[in-house]
Amino acid sequence: EAGVAQSPRYKIIEKRQSVAFWCNPISGHATLYWYQQILGQGPKLLIQFQNNGVVDDSQLPKDRFSAERLKGVDSTLKIQPAKLEDSAVYLCASSLLGANEKLFFGSGTQLSVL
Amino acid sequence: EDQVTQSPEALRLQEGESSSLNCSYTVSGLRGLFWYRQDPGKGPEFLFTLYSAGEEKEKERLKATLTKKESFLHITAPKPEDSATYLCAVQAFSSNTGKLIFGQGTTLQVKP
Repeated sequence: EAGVAQSPRYKIIEKRQSVAFWCNPISGHATLYWYQQILGQGPKLLIQFQNNGVVDDSQLPKDRFSAERLKGVDSTLKIQPAKLEDSAVYLCASSLLGANEKLFFGSGTQLSVL
Repeated sequence: EDQVTQSPEALRLQEGESSSLNCSYTVSGLRGLFWYRQDPGKGPEFLFTLYSAGEEKEKERLKATLTKKESFLHITAPKPEDSATYLCAVQAFSSNTGKLIFGQGTTLQVKP
């Protein structure tokens, strides 16, 4: 089966610019997650969708980050404006339902903010 | 606050030299503990889920165990292809959403 697809693979921007990441989860997976992984750290959840509704965005910096999942399939994560500390790998993951289930991760988008 | 701490941060082994990675956790009711493997430039890949103290799971050279406060990932006779970062994550009963809280990982290097 096809895995979680993410694009772009790499992105380099200057601070205060905006950037968007795209994710296509595994077909049929209702739950979609965006994680931020800073170098040397474990992934940290930014936002979780169940179908096209948000179920957890408690750690999303809402003043600059936004995400949407239209039609309950693809998702886009946006940062506007970017800060130096946003440099990280942004991982998208999906699972069939949610609790108790393993997550399938994409390869991530590596963002460098200069 | 739910928390996961992994040790050591980095581990170098010779091929065939067995060892263990530690994952200590503090959580308000453990729903499940997950182990993932992450290769450079890739996303984490699922290895195991453990649900209750005393549970063990094995896959090839890897064996995961769970107690009420920590989990161990035992690596028996490792090979160079086992080199990766190993991540531990917990899911709490307080979360109905499947949210995983990750540790910082242990980077394993196995030399031939």
